[in-house]
Order: sequence, then C-alpha cells, then structure tokens
Amino acid sequence: EPEVTQTPSHQVTQMGQEVILRCVPISNHLYFYWYRQILGQKVEFLVSFYNNEISEKSEIFDDQFSVERPDGSNFTLKIRSTKLEDSAMYFCASSGPTGVGQPQHFGDGTRLSIL
Amino acid sequence: DQQVKQNSPSLSVQEGRISILNCDYTNSMFDYFLWYKKYPAEGPTFLISISSIKDKNEDGRFTVFLNKSAKHLSLHIVPSQPGDSAVYFCAASRSNDYKLSFGAGTTVTVRA
Repeated sequence: EPEVTQTPSHQVTQMGQEVILRCVPISNHLYFYWYRQILGQKVEFLVSFYNNEISEKSEIFDDQFSVERPDGSNFTLKIRSTKLEDSAMYFCASSGPTGVGQPQHFGDGTRLSIL
Repeated sequence: DQQVKQNSPSLSVQEGRISILNCDYTNSMFDYFLWYKKYPAEGPTFLISISSIKDKNEDGRFTVFLNKSAKHLSLHIVPSQPGDSAVYFCAASRSNDYKLSFGAGTTVTVRA
C-alpha cells in the first residue's frame, strides 16, 4: 500500500538554527499538509499546500515557517530560526485528488528536539 | 482548539468484545469526520470516515455512527482484537476547509 515517508525520523538542533523536515507524499496525491504534536497535546494543523501554493495555514505557521515542493516528489517544511517550543513530532500528510472530503494519510513523523 | 473532544482518555476491553469510542464536536460547520489509529512511534493511520449526509458507515469490523443533532460520533470495533490496542483519534473538517481538527485521543487496551 502506498505510504507517506518522512525523513529524518529524529532531528536534534540547536536553538536558533534552521531545520528542514522532508516528506515524500503518496505519488498520485495532490494535497499536502504539515501537522505537529507537542508532547502531551493534540495533533495541530500547520499548513496545507496545493498547486505549488499554500491553501491554508494556522496561526502557528508564522514567518519562521515555510513549505516548498522542490521537485515532483518531495515536500519540505523549513523552520528558519528554531525555538525551544518548536520541539514536537511533525507529521506530513497527503490526500487527493479533491482534498476536502477525502482522508489524509500520514507519515510516521519526525521528532524534532531543540536544545 | 477545543472543537473536537474525546472525553475518555482510555478504554479497556476484553478480546472478542465490542469497543465503543466516543467523540463530541462543537463546530456545527463540520461535515466530514474521520477516525485514525496510532501506534507508538508511528503516524496516525486512517481507519474510517463519514460525511454528514450519512449517519452510519461500516468497514469490516469498524462502524462509525454520526448523530448530527447531538454533535456526537462513535466508533464501534467488533470483535476487538489484541492488535487493536492503540490510540484512536477522532478528527473533523469542513467541506470548504483543508485542515483536520483532532481530538485528544483515546487509548484502547484489548485484554486477552
């Protein structure tokens, strides 16, 4: 069964450093998402992406965050200057072809630890 | 975000019996609902969904019931199996929206 893959599985970064989290969505999906889960809290929506642009973003997704689809298969989340509170599990998801009303399929996540 | 609530943090059930997980929502604009299962160190795995035009959807051992007037949905797993032991998340979205709002999850333990 096709799946969403995320790398790395665990990223440790010094506060203030830039970090890039990588995702390969399911190949025929057109909608891509990032969510995060801080330890002990709910899974929270960050951003959705379609047709090479952001379709929706949450208030969490401020100027420190950016997303990109650099080629036909990868989808990345960049955090420019990490803060301690960015420590969380980051999940990538994809859905298609209409996006809304279709299940999102999640990767296994990247655990981001900010020191 | 308190729009989706799972008020039972845990559920213990005997193998072979029915597991019933509950979820309440406050946003009447939600019209698409999903259940995900999550094992430790893995991402959420899609289980089953239901749109607001239905009140029941069944897929094998999993059935989701939707009560729009009560803003309540439930997931029934029957019969429960040891491999069903996991955290179950309820999620919801609106038809003109891309984001999912998640509940806090219910940890299900299936006892042999």
